[in-house]
Amino acid sequence: AAGVIQSPRHLIKEKRETATLKCYPIPRHDTVYWYQQGPGQDPQFLISFYEKMQSDKGSIPDRFSAQQFSDYHSELNMSSLELGDSALYFCASSPRTGLGGEQFFGPGTRLTVL
Amino acid sequence: GENVEQHPSTLSVQEGDSAVIKCTYSDSASNYFPWYKQELGKRPQLIIDIRSNVGEKKDQRIAVTLNKTAKHFSLHITETQPEDSAVYFCAASLGGGADGLTFGKGTHLIIQP
Repeated sequence: AAGVIQSPRHLIKEKRETATLKCYPIPRHDTVYWYQQGPGQDPQFLISFYEKMQSDKGSIPDRFSAQQFSDYHSELNMSSLELGDSALYFCASSPRTGLGGEQFFGPGTRLTVL
Repeated sequence: GENVEQHPSTLSVQEGDSAVIKCTYSDSASNYFPWYKQELGKRPQLIIDIRSNVGEKKDQRIAVTLNKTAKHFSLHITETQPEDSAVYFCAASLGGGADGLTFGKGTHLIIQP
């Protein structure tokens, strides 16, 4: 079965640089979520989108922005990168139909800020 | 906002024995409670979930119970196997279409051969 696709899988950036992470949800999933997971920590919810509109917002820094496009893929834009932004970034998707809630995670993008 | 507490942080059991992980949540409006299994460096994998209109759900060796009055839910794994070794996260959300999950801190489950 098709899964969530994330690119790139690994990214190395310098402090103060920018990064763009991409997420392609499971086919027929129209809701996308972004999570940040630091080493040894639980995933922290950043933001979610449904039908190209921001739906829920968590602990996303003002330096980060995200959007969902007409084909339902999403991009997370990160500016003025800091050392503390080094983490695994997961995208998850879920179908809008049914009871809702089930979130299926992608393989993640490992961001290292030097 | 929602706060989810998870215990224990580490659990070591003998292969074949049962394992129980417990979580509590703070927001009585939370309606959806999934459990994820995560191996080192890999993605969280949804293993079972429960909604607030159900008290218990079972899927083969895995079961989840929910006590909405006490705001408490638990994961039960029976007949544990070496491949069950991983970090397990509980989570809670309002259960709406695009609500973010609030995770517990995780339980490192170790299955001793």
